[in-house]
Amino acid sequence: NFMLTQPHSVSESPGKTVTISCTRSSGSIASNYVQWYQQRPGSSPTTVIYEDNQRPSGVPDRFSGSIDSSSNSASLTISGLKTEDEADYYCQSYDSSNWVFGGGTKLTVL
Amino acid sequence: EVQLVESGGGLVKPGGSLRLSCAASGFTFSSYSMNWVRQAPGKGLEWVSSISSSSSYIYYADSVKGRFTISRDNAKNSLYLQMNSLRAEDTAVYYCARIRAPRVDCSSTSCYNYYYYYMDVWGKGTTVTVSS
Repeated sequence: NFMLTQPHSVSESPGKTVTISCTRSSGSIASNYVQWYQQRPGSSPTTVIYEDNQRPSGVPDRFSGSIDSSSNSASLTISGLKTEDEADYYCQSYDSSNWVFGGGTKLTVL
Repeated sequence: EVQLVESGGGLVKPGGSLRLSCAASGFTFSSYSMNWVRQAPGKGLEWVSSISSSSSYIYYADSVKGRFTISRDNAKNSLYLQMNSLRAEDTAVYYCARIRAPRVDCSSTSCYNYYYYYMDVWGKGTTVTVSS
């Protein structure tokens, strides 16, 4: 099984752009789709990106996802940061009947 | 409104058992595969178990294999997690989550299911505390 590694925390100012990485430990990042979930304090997770770069309906286009095979990682980019984006973000992938989550990244918008 | 409501959490001693339930409403429960996902206090998300729509396929994380049993009753629109031999490290909020339903893709000659591997609906969770 592989692991997904995320930075513990990132911070940025309102209106700016932030990128959160998610690095796969073994196997190709392109082998299985990556999803991103947002979890605001005290709330359940919600999906902001699925299948590497797809946005569910209702998610603003400020959120975008990508993968980079050279670094074997996926990225979540949030542009035009708002204070409401402050949350924990988790990447997730799937392989061989196992669902794998990254450790989560706390985004602070200050 | 699509909704998942977990129940059954509580305080249990190490070695004890607990059965969690998840009541689904607002959608055709029998058409969806489901997950249990947990989150220890101050920690990240951890997948626990999956069950397909007809219970034909069941999978567990290594951390709970042999101790937890997932099941469902489509007639009652309910998902369950039987947890035995509980340990302190099982202390967490347990979420039930719906896996997005497959879509049907058709070519000129045949159709097949395209499966998604993400969760599109989550419950609010139920808290399990394992402590003496």
